[in-house]
Amino acid sequence: IAGITQAPTSQILAAGRRMTLRCTQDMRHNAMYWYRQDLGLGLRLIHYSNTAGTTGKGEVPDGYSVSRANTDDFPLTLASAVPSQTSVYFCASSDSTGGANVLTFGAGSRLTVL
Amino acid sequence: GQNIDQPTEMTATEGAIVQINCTYQTSGFNGLFWYQQHAGEAPTFLSYNVLDGLEEKGRFSSFLSRSKGYSYLLLKELQMKDSASYLCAVTADDYKLSFGAGTTVTVRA
Repeated sequence: IAGITQAPTSQILAAGRRMTLRCTQDMRHNAMYWYRQDLGLGLRLIHYSNTAGTTGKGEVPDGYSVSRANTDDFPLTLASAVPSQTSVYFCASSDSTGGANVLTFGAGSRLTVL
Repeated sequence: GQNIDQPTEMTATEGAIVQINCTYQTSGFNGLFWYQQHAGEAPTFLSYNVLDGLEEKGRFSSFLSRSKGYSYLLLKELQMKDSASYLCAVTADDYKLSFGAGTTVTVRA
């Protein structure tokens, strides 16, 4: 089934630990994104990549890093997790970076940092 | 950045009509989107407006007024499955989507 796969679905993590959230798409979309969703705040963009080999910072990039070695994969790394990073993380992709930039979202990864 | 406002919650009866308003302030404007998100699931695309006017898609319609920084999503003939959060999002000069906090719609029998 074409779409976006995120892993893990859910994770509980001790503060200070390193964590990588995985995201893979099979739609050959050029652009990929990471958002976090918190109650009352909506979806906020963390990092994005317009094409393989390039990345950019979104609205809330601090404490997170990404890489885009190929078209399909876009992992998000928390180098040293803190409780404020407890959230639901959504990976998304689109085949355009302009105009009607319709995003396809993964099912989300729920992360709890204790 | 973008400032996007929409009501937090709305309740309506099955078969009725509900209108979800969204106002925005943005530096540059390249389109407005509505997404639907059921509890515990991923957001899914509903509509896109870039020109003023009404876009109709079955039971759902979306309206845009660029001069007023205003949009609404109209849900007609409400069904129980329409209970969800509805997210308003805008794209500015960089074409990155900025989302509002979402409106949770509860449909009662």
